[in-house]
Amino acid sequence: DAKTTQPPSMDCAEGRAANLPCNHSTISGNEYVYWYRQIHSQGPQYIIHGLKNNETNEMASLIITEDRKSSTLILPHATLRDTAVYYCIVRVAGEYGNKLVFGAGTILRVKS
Amino acid sequence: KAGVTQTPRYLIKTRGQQVTLSCSPISGHRSVSWYQQTPGQGLQFLFEYFSETQRNKGNFPGRFSGRQFSNSRSEMNVSTLELGDSALYLCASSIDGVTGNTIYFGEGSWLTVV
Repeated sequence: DAKTTQPPSMDCAEGRAANLPCNHSTISGNEYVYWYRQIHSQGPQYIIHGLKNNETNEMASLIITEDRKSSTLILPHATLRDTAVYYCIVRVAGEYGNKLVFGAGTILRVKS
Repeated sequence: KAGVTQTPRYLIKTRGQQVTLSCSPISGHRSVSWYQQTPGQGLQFLFEYFSETQRNKGNFPGRFSGRQFSNSRSEMNVSTLELGDSALYLCASSIDGVTGNTIYFGEGSWLTVV
């Protein structure tokens, strides 16, 4: 069911920017892109979401390509605490229901 | 503002027993959904409740059920427990479940069936 493709794992040096890619080539015009992360044994943590425009908040930036077929989550200054599984999810706008379809995600390892 | 609260955090049950898990959503949130996470299947959607009515349901057997109360608190129940039901059960809430509104997760309830 997952409509996104992510690399299974990535490494990043502490203090550097972590750029996590996500492919959603079948995305429709009314589908949002959401990012969550899950640190071992904890519930998923919301990071950011967007529809068409790039978005930024205190945690990260979300860059969506003009054709919307892919996006990149950017953690500007990764720390060891950012080591987690990162999930990219698409969700239909206007659809009632709290259903998120999770894929396998990307394991991000931040190394000192 | 308090987050999504789930109880109990950890529990151990025996095969054949039943279990009830509780979830208190963020204040003002009326949509509550449940997910199961296992190493083999990952995160899977169980069901979602809004205004005390089940609005969406995942592909799980009838042993998995839930309900929502008038204060938006929710419970899920698993009857006739099987070893394969051992998992992290996650509750999530949002204001009304409309896409574009953020969904927040609790820390989960770890269920071990022996």
